[in-house]
Amino acid sequence: QVQLGQSGAEVKMPGASVKVSCKASGYTFTGYYIHWVRQAPGPGFEWMGWINPNSGGTSYAQKFQGRVTMTRDTSISTAFMELSRLTSDDTAVYYCARGGWGGDFFDSWGQGTLVTVSS
Amino acid sequence: EIVLTQSPGTLSLSPGERATLSCRASQRVARTYLAWYQQRPGQAPRLLIYGASSRATGIPDRFSGSGSGTDFNLTISRLEPEDFAVYYCQQYGSSPLLTFGGGTKVEIK
Repeated sequence: QVQLGQSGAEVKMPGASVKVSCKASGYTFTGYYIHWVRQAPGPGFEWMGWINPNSGGTSYAQKFQGRVTMTRDTSISTAFMELSRLTSDDTAVYYCARGGWGGDFFDSWGQGTLVTVSS
Repeated sequence: EIVLTQSPGTLSLSPGERATLSCRASQRVARTYLAWYQQRPGQAPRLLIYGASSRATGIPDRFSGSGSGTDFNLTISRLEPEDFAVYYCQQYGSSPLLTFGGGTKVEIK
């Protein structure tokens, strides 16, 4: 079955960067986009962007442009999301999710990675 | 940006009752590109409905979606104990700017 396994919780200082991984299994990694979505108590869910694992092409939400970088390593079926210049507002659970067939909905989700930004 | 407003914020019902959740968009959602998710405490969301009315794989038929334009509904025909959770709508008609609603909590009365 489709599974997305994410890396563990992180605690970062303000101004630092964080890199979260998402390992896919149970399907052809290059056949579906991987999206990154975060969930925080105030703003709720925020879509951050996607990566096309086949081409490496990306699309980022305007809010995160210049701060987020999405990459992938097809040899290990893993996608990565790096967010830089962290502030306390970036404290959230970060999810990777597989893009649905025929649209940008999310048909499978990782278990989430809690990123806490605190001095 | 399309803003999605969900109502009510909380729905208090008993098992076996019918639940109707609303999701209203600030602009027309193109091609009924609206999805619904269920999130239980401490878990990731689970896709229930896409394309406003198509059930995802493995989703029981007590879940149904309807609507078009700016008004969408999720209906749970008879609530089971495992259905008490938070439900979110998400539009993908204005891709790549994808947005979510604020959620409706369905709690046991």
